[in-house]
Amino acid sequence: DGGITQSPKYLFRKEGQNVTLSCEQNLNHDAMYWYRQDPGQGLRLIYYSQIVNDFQKGDIAEGYSVSREKKESFPLTVTSAQKNPTAFYLCASSVTGVAFFGQGTRLTVV
Amino acid sequence: QKEVEQDPGPLSVPEGAIVSLNCTYSNSAFQYFMWYRQYSRKGPELLMYTYSSGNKEDGRFTAQVDKSSKYISLFIRDSQPSDSATYLCAMSASGGSNYKLTFGKGTLLTVNP
Repeated sequence: DGGITQSPKYLFRKEGQNVTLSCEQNLNHDAMYWYRQDPGQGLRLIYYSQIVNDFQKGDIAEGYSVSREKKESFPLTVTSAQKNPTAFYLCASSVTGVAFFGQGTRLTVV
Repeated sequence: QKEVEQDPGPLSVPEGAIVSLNCTYSNSAFQYFMWYRQYSRKGPELLMYTYSSGNKEDGRFTAQVDKSSKYISLFIRDSQPSDSATYLCAMSASGGSNYKLTFGKGTLLTVNP
């Protein structure tokens, strides 16, 4: 099936640890995005990438890092510098201006 | 002024009602207009999208775009309890390298049996 796969679905992180969220798409889309969703705050853009080996910071990039070594993959690392990482993370990809989302990863700091 | 404004609700309607969801925007460069449905703890699902102005219908759902007023709407006819979800509007500019999407904050809809 074509689509966007995020893994894991649930992730627990200890204070001071880095964790990496996976996002893979087989839609052959050039653009990929990471969003963070918190209750009452809507979707906030963390990073986006329009082509392989290139990416740009979004509105809340501090404490996060990404890579885009392959067209299909856009992993997000939540570093220990991110002060409040507990949230629902969504990956999306797009062709032209229409985006499709994965099912999300819920990250909890314990 | 925010780029996209969406009434957060919550909106509660009886089963079978017609639901109207709306967003306003300020950026005249937006050309793609999308509506997403998001169930609790799930990723947003693309319901419909429209390029430029006009109406689009898909079953019980109708999307309308009025670029002159910078106003978009989603109508749901014969609403069902399974339509209970958060509805997000989103917009993006067309062409070039500008693929950034701008989202409304979402409207929480409850359809009561």
